[in-house]
Amino acid sequence: GAVVSQHPSRVICKSGTSVKIECRSLDFQATTMFWYRQFPKQSLMLMATSNEGSKATYEQGVEKDKFLINHASLTLSTLTVTSAHPEDSSFYICSAEKAISYEQYFGPGTRLTVT
Amino acid sequence: GQQVMQIPQYQHVQEGEDFTTYCNSSTTLSNIQWYKQRPGGHPVFLIQLVKSGEVKKQKRLTFQFGEAKKNSSLHITATQTTDVGTYFCAGRNTGGFKTIFGAGTRLFVKA
Repeated sequence: GAVVSQHPSRVICKSGTSVKIECRSLDFQATTMFWYRQFPKQSLMLMATSNEGSKATYEQGVEKDKFLINHASLTLSTLTVTSAHPEDSSFYICSAEKAISYEQYFGPGTRLTVT
Repeated sequence: GQQVMQIPQYQHVQEGEDFTTYCNSSTTLSNIQWYKQRPGGHPVFLIQLVKSGEVKKQKRLTFQFGEAKKNSSLHITATQTTDVGTYFCAGRNTGGFKTIFGAGTRLFVKA
């Protein structure tokens, strides 16, 4: 299977600061990457679809100014949580989609804790 | 909008028993994918079904895609403790660019 890395795996930050999470597809090029949020024992909540070279498409209810997404290359997408608040604490997972097959390969996730 | 419903939410089984999770879409799908997430881990792609009525097997796992391409199921024969985790279906609607995940079914296997 394909490999997707995510960095950092865990981060603790103070309220009001910004945090950047990187998602990389290591062995294939991904035109499309997805960012999800997952609460404990719950399903994946799609936050946004990141397309290389264009603006991300955000799901309803997700603030685009708060969750900045940049997909600068075919192997890297970043999610920046700006002015983080404790309610932003969550598990953030990215996935990279393989063209044609649309199979998604997930990164290991980032556990964000905002104090 | 498109919805993908998955049942049951939880399933407790004794090791050796069979297990099935069901997925239903409100719209016709172009494909259905299945993922497994182990406790503490991330979702891992298992399989994709594309054709109407398609059935695929992976060892003890059997995946089916309905004739109308609106439902799917995953059946595990003779569960083992290694099958523990959450199984998600994910459907892509015809003509769309979005894959919608079901809520997942958490499988607990008692040895």
